[in-house]
Amino acid sequence: ETGVTQSPTHLIKTRGQQVTLRCSSQSGHNTVSWYQQALGQGPQFIFQYYREEENGRGNFPPRFSGLQFPNYSSELNVNALELDDSALYLCASSFPGTRNNEQFFGPGTRLTVL
Amino acid sequence: QKEVEQNSGPLSVPEGAIASLNCTYSDRGSQSFFWYRQYSGKSPELIMSIYSNGDKEDGRFTAQLNKASQYVSLLIRDSQPSDSATYLCAVRLSGGYNKLIFGAGTRLAVHP
Repeated sequence: ETGVTQSPTHLIKTRGQQVTLRCSSQSGHNTVSWYQQALGQGPQFIFQYYREEENGRGNFPPRFSGLQFPNYSSELNVNALELDDSALYLCASSFPGTRNNEQFFGPGTRLTVL
Repeated sequence: QKEVEQNSGPLSVPEGAIASLNCTYSDRGSQSFFWYRQYSGKSPELIMSIYSNGDKEDGRFTAQLNKASQYVSLLIRDSQPSDSATYLCAVRLSGGYNKLIFGAGTRLAVHP
């Protein structure tokens, strides 16, 4: 167990709806990164939050947005859901002070868009 | 050219053998390299990280890095059926924040 938790575990939505996914980071970790993993592919970086600010963003449209709270927990919001948004959404926490800045993943949220 | 490339497999090895998983990357300035194991339906689990050329050993796992050849590998000694999973190679690019670029993964099957 990494100490990173995510909720909900599974979610089913329809096209056009909005969804919020939640993540609690490992104790002491102040950086949270979000990834999207489609079936049969490696995780794709969405964005990262450090000290409540977006610290970097991957090639995802603005309808993917996020927040980080003072306790370092985080949310991923996706508006106007599309069928291609069906995937496993992973959050990973890390602490920049370590040599390799290793990222530890939560169990993920499986999102299905119908 | 993909930034991180892995053979998708499946790589099939008998129990007790050495499994060798390979990964190449395109960004010559990449700093740190990671191997994750992912069981079907689960999230990735960090196995090894490496940032210096050479070998790094942890139990039955050995990570090997060759920055000149832009190549990183993972050896699993005495492979067990419980090692059957998809192994993801991840690279942190040079500069900027802690963004990992993943390969698509190699599926390993260890048969008794």
